[in-house]
Amino acid sequence: NAGVTQTPKFQVLKTGQSMTLQCAQDMNHNSMYWYRQDPGMGLRLIYYSASEGTTDKGEVPNGYNVSRLNKREFSLRLESAAPSQTSVYFCASSTRDRTTGGYTFGSGTRLTVV
Amino acid sequence: AQKITQTQPGMFVQEKEAVTLDCTYDTSDPSYGLFWYKQPSSGEMIFLIYQGSYDQQNATEGRYSLNFQKARKSANLVISASQLGDSAMYFCAMREFSGYSTLTFGKGTMLLVSP
Repeated sequence: NAGVTQTPKFQVLKTGQSMTLQCAQDMNHNSMYWYRQDPGMGLRLIYYSASEGTTDKGEVPNGYNVSRLNKREFSLRLESAAPSQTSVYFCASSTRDRTTGGYTFGSGTRLTVV
Repeated sequence: AQKITQTQPGMFVQEKEAVTLDCTYDTSDPSYGLFWYKQPSSGEMIFLIYQGSYDQQNATEGRYSLNFQKARKSANLVISASQLGDSAMYFCAMREFSGYSTLTFGKGTMLLVSP
């Protein structure tokens, strides 16, 4: 099925550990995004990639790095996890179509840092 | 400055009744889009409805309609004939289309539908 695939779905890390969240889309979208969702905060943008070969910071980039590996894949890396990074992470992709311009979301990764 | 404001943290509605979820936005871009997403307890983000700033008519998708009042900068979601399965978190979001911009979300409204 076409869409956005995120792995893993769940992860528990110890403070200071590193990990990479993987995201792949097969919708031929140019743009990809990483959001985090915290209770009462809505979704906040961490990083995005407007097109292959470019990445930019969003609202809450501190403590994260990203890689746009190719048009399909966009990974999010936590180099040294902190309890404040406990959250649900969503990857999304989109076209730049101005008629809709909506995003397609992955199913999310629930990350707990202890 | 917050671009999307959802003032209702939670809403209750009885089954089969209509409910309106409020959303106001702030932008100086004449070209923008407004979106509503549903997030059930399972966690996925489900796109519901879209309204473009130049659209002359309010958007409708089945039981969902968007009450778009451009001068007041509001984009309220109306759900008619509520169903138990409508219980979820609802997010309003906006994307500005002049130049490149990303989707900005409100903090959401939790809707509970009772029998």
